[in-house]
Amino acid sequence: KQEVTQIPAALSVPEGENLVLNCSFTDSAIYNLQWFRQDPGKGLTSLLLIQSSQREQTSGRLNASLDKSSGRSTLYIAASQPGDSATYLCAVRNNYGQNFVFGPGTRLSVLP
Amino acid sequence: DAGVIQSPRHEVTEMGQEVTLRCKPISGHNSLFWYRQTMMRGLELLIYFNNNVPIDDSGMPEDRFSAKMPNASFSTLKIQPSEPRDSAVYFCASSLEAVNTEAFFGQGTRLTVV
Repeated sequence: KQEVTQIPAALSVPEGENLVLNCSFTDSAIYNLQWFRQDPGKGLTSLLLIQSSQREQTSGRLNASLDKSSGRSTLYIAASQPGDSATYLCAVRNNYGQNFVFGPGTRLSVLP
Repeated sequence: DAGVIQSPRHEVTEMGQEVTLRCKPISGHNSLFWYRQTMMRGLELLIYFNNNVPIDDSGMPEDRFSAKMPNASFSTLKIQPSEPRDSAVYFCASSLEAVNTEAFFGQGTRLTVV
């Protein structure tokens, strides 16, 4: 059974810092990994999708990497801003079952 | 496209009542997922449809929960009878049939059973 963990559970940084969020998964038999952002009381917004054959994806100040063999992904946020404050979730899509398995999330606070 | 649309956004009901949550996936998407989010358990898959057919319903907690997808543009999740422990945020998501595509989530329905 696929299990996804995220470290740290919470993170508070001053504005302008670069930061890294970590995601680990136990079964490397995945189609892809997707990073989401969730604001309080809101739905999930897709940030980046990395296919199993890819090593990284970039969108603006965000860069996500994937090391499938070691079961790890990182989300790098450059020059953090208060507007980046949210919970960040990673999800893997298994190549059996095909559903998404979510991690518990990292709650990020960027202080002005 | 307006994205995945869920209704209602909020629902408060009394224990024992029937609750129906609704979802309209993004047009052209063939896969639809229902998730439940709680503080204790995070996001849990309830059921997954592909081309309107339930593929994996192993996450449906018990017989009180049922889901249907009568056509490609509509799905319902029904709880009958509802219990206080069903209180959670229920999300619907959709994606293209091909597995290497993004999933897009609705805004969720916050259900409170009193």
